[in-house]
Amino acid sequence: AQKVTQAQTEISVVEKEDVTLDCVYETRDTTYYLFWYKQPPSGELVFLIRRNSFDEQNEISGRYSWNFQKSTSSFNFTITASQVVDSAVYFCALSENNFNKFYFGSGTKLNVKP
Amino acid sequence: DGGITQSPKYLFRKEGQNVTLSCEQNLNHDAMYWYRQDPGQGLRLIYYSQIVNDFQKGDIAEGYSVSREKKESFPLTVTSAQKNPTAFYLCASSISVAGSQETQYFGPGTRLLVL
Repeated sequence: AQKVTQAQTEISVVEKEDVTLDCVYETRDTTYYLFWYKQPPSGELVFLIRRNSFDEQNEISGRYSWNFQKSTSSFNFTITASQVVDSAVYFCALSENNFNKFYFGSGTKLNVKP
Repeated sequence: DGGITQSPKYLFRKEGQNVTLSCEQNLNHDAMYWYRQDPGQGLRLIYYSQIVNDFQKGDIAEGYSVSREKKESFPLTVTSAQKNPTAFYLCASSISVAGSQETQYFGPGTRLLVL
């Protein structure tokens, strides 16, 4: 079974629309960490956020916000007023077992059209 | 500037040939990782290293080898035993492997193609 599921393979929006990328994870650990990365066409993964399992507060950073809900094992990522530069593949990842091995989802490709 | 460098950006391999991908970091991180990414898929762990002169197999180590002679360097060799090597290879590092809280930082990647 997949530990991290990103069910949306590809999403297309028009610039200035809001868009939410879904991430559902599976773990039996009580202590774990969740991450989001952005992979632009150049290929390098860019770190966006890290969240630990004990902190369910939503986080906002500029146009980006994250909604962590342990009850549904989800860690969703919302981009408000999307821009063309947001076009990329976004990966969600899980780290558990007190060990820094990451389980990556298969990624969601976001296309933002002008 | 601190970061991770990978070279070359593109690499071509002939049948039966071993090729080596370079990964260097100046972040003073103890842990380093190699991942493979295939189109439309997430990243899969090939090898990781917690400290100099130590490394462990990941999920898809067959056909690959690594070394860790220096803290800054973690080269990956794709051997002729790897029958399907065409992929995008990403190197990463983190402060340590112990503890699930450490963020992994990634290099720009190397795209390997088979001729």
